[in-house]
Amino acid sequence: GNSVTQMEGPVTLSEEAFLTINCTYTATGYPSLFWYVQYPGEGLQLLLKATKADDKGSNKGFEATYRKETTSFHLEKGSVQVSDSAVYFCALSPTTSGTYKYIFGTGTRLKVLA
Amino acid sequence: GAGVSQSPSNKVTEKGKDVELRCDPISGHTALYWYRQSLGQGLEFLIYFQGNSAPDKSGLPSDRFSAERTGGSVSTLTIQRTQQEDSAVYLCASSSSSGGAGNEQFFGPGTRLTVL
Repeated sequence: GNSVTQMEGPVTLSEEAFLTINCTYTATGYPSLFWYVQYPGEGLQLLLKATKADDKGSNKGFEATYRKETTSFHLEKGSVQVSDSAVYFCALSPTTSGTYKYIFGTGTRLKVLA
Repeated sequence: GAGVSQSPSNKVTEKGKDVELRCDPISGHTALYWYRQSLGQGLEFLIYFQGNSAPDKSGLPSDRFSAERTGGSVSTLTIQRTQQEDSAVYLCASSSSSGGAGNEQFFGPGTRLTVL
C-alpha cells in the first residue's frame, strides 16, 4: 500500500541554520508529492509540490526534489527564520486511476530560535 | 475569494452526546475531504466526496461517524455517542477535481473537539 514516512520531531534550530526534514514514501505508480505547512493556530497550507521524478518544488526558500530512485522528497532550506516555526507534513497523492486519497506523514514540528 | 470554512472552531461536549461539524468548501470545488488530527499524530483520512458519486467512507473509524454533503457543497460530519478518544481536530479540505497529478487540497482551519 501507499505510505509516507517522515522524520520525527521536534527539530530545534537556531536562526539561519540549514534545515533538512526527511521524507520517504512507498507507492505504486508515480504519485505526486507535497509538503504542507501548518503554522500555529492555522490550517494546513500547501508549501510546495512535485508531480514527476526529478521535479524540484520550491517556495519561500524551501526546496524539495522528487527522487524516484530513493523514493524520497526531503525538504530543505538554507537559512531558517523564526517565522518558519511550524509543523511540516509530507504527503503523496496517488495517480492510479480511481485513487485520490492523500497519504500524509505524521508531521515534523520545527522550532527556530532567535 | 473565501477559503474553506469550518464551524464551530471549538466544541466541548460530554461523553455520549452527538455532535455535528460543518464544512463550507471553496465554491466550485467538487472534491471534499474530512480528516482527523489527533494530538501528536498525523492526518487520518476519514471520508471523501466527489461530485454526485458515492462517498468513500473507508476511513471512518466506527459506525458512530457519518457524513453527508448536501447539494454538492456544504458537508456535515456527525459523531454520535461521542467518546473521549474522539477528541481531536477535525479538518476539512476541498479541491477542484477528483485527483490526478498535483491537485492541491485547500484546508479549513479545523474544529477542535473535546469530549469530557
